[in-house]
Formats: sequence, C-alpha cells, structure tokens
Amino acid sequence: DAGVTQSPTHLIKTRGQQVTLRCSPKSGHDTVSWYQQALGQGPQFIFQYYEEEERQRGNFPDRFSGHQFPNYSSELNVNALLLGDSALYLCASSGLGLAGASSYNEQFFGPGTRLTVL
Amino acid sequence: DAKTTQPPSMDCAEGRAANLPCNHSTISGNEYVYWYRQIHSQGPQYIIHGLKNNETNEMASLIITEDRKSSTLILPHATLRDTAVYYCIVRTPVLMDSSYKLIFGSGTRLLVRP
Repeated sequence: DAGVTQSPTHLIKTRGQQVTLRCSPKSGHDTVSWYQQALGQGPQFIFQYYEEEERQRGNFPDRFSGHQFPNYSSELNVNALLLGDSALYLCASSGLGLAGASSYNEQFFGPGTRLTVL
Repeated sequence: DAKTTQPPSMDCAEGRAANLPCNHSTISGNEYVYWYRQIHSQGPQYIIHGLKNNETNEMASLIITEDRKSSTLILPHATLRDTAVYYCIVRTPVLMDSSYKLIFGSGTRLLVRP
C-alpha cells in the first residue's frame, strides 16, 4: 500500500502564475482533504472532496479551487499566486463513505508539496 | 470553530513519560479531540482521538477532563524518535453529508533528550 502520494514534491512559481498540485489517496479511501501549512504554523483546512464534489471549505479565497476524479484522486489549483501562498500543501485521505470504520475517523496525510512563490 | 491552546515547546528525557497538555475551553459537546504529530519534513501522523472518555492505543493515552475543556496526551516511554511537533486538534461536528474538518492549533514542539 503506497499510502497518500503527492506530486510534485517541490515547485517554484512567480507571482501571478497558476499552479496545479496532485494527490492520490490511500487505497480504499474515497475522500480527499487539502491543507495549507505556512512555515512554523499548523496546517489550515482548505477544502474537502467526496464523490467529486466539494463538501466543506475553509476560509480561503476563490483563487483556491479543486477537483476530484472518479478514481478519487484530486487536484488543487491556485490562480493568481501571491507571495503569501508560499507554503507546504498537504493532502489527506479518509474513508468518508465508511462511517463507523477506522478509515472514517482518521485522515492519512501525504508528504506534501512545497510551493515557493517568488 | 473551537480552538486549541498548547505550550510552544517541551522536553523530556528518553525513557520517561511525556505529558503534553492542551486547552480547548470552547469545545462543543459533539466535537472530538484529536492528536497528530509531525516529524520534520513529513506529513502529520495520526496518534489518537476521543470524545469524553480516556483512550489508549499502542502509541499513546489520551486523558480528557470531565468538563472537556482540556486534555493531555501521554507518551508512556518517550524515545528519540518521538521528537516532533504534536498537534492538538478539534474535529468539527459531522454534517449531514458525513463530512468534517480538522482544526489544527500551533502545536507543541517536543524534544526528547538522550
């Protein structure tokens, strides 16, 4: 079991550009959540996808958008990048459709994508 | 959303118990307390969670006060590999679509000394 995988591991962009980050959930999981972790801070919830729909959203602007595919993998898109978007972007998967199972209560995190905006 | 407060750093000796406190005084009755840890340059790793009863697993014990306004994570025999940032988290109430959010605090940096 490969666990949660994310790509790329590192990325450098300039202000105003757009970026797409990718996540493959742990085998058997149907839900993907995205978090932003600024240096020295705890992760902040961006949004969660289940059945290809956004189910919950944190306090992030519309420049942050996402998508989930039929195979449960997900993408995070950020438009019009700002310097403040520089952070570690974490993807976490869980089994939302499996209420009562351990995979419902536990979110498994990937290693993250380090985004640097210059 | 409830928030958590943790000391920014702690240390303990290898082999001794590490007791990490957390305040969550605004937690509501249907919000769970979770603990994750993050070792440098890795994604957070789940440790344990609970609602109001004390919980124990192979990694740690979670002690939640009766009024649920605070909790303590206990690592019974800390090793050097337990050096990490430990996050006390509130899980928001489950919505009709079964979704929930994890609200992270700033965490406690635990250093286990040889």
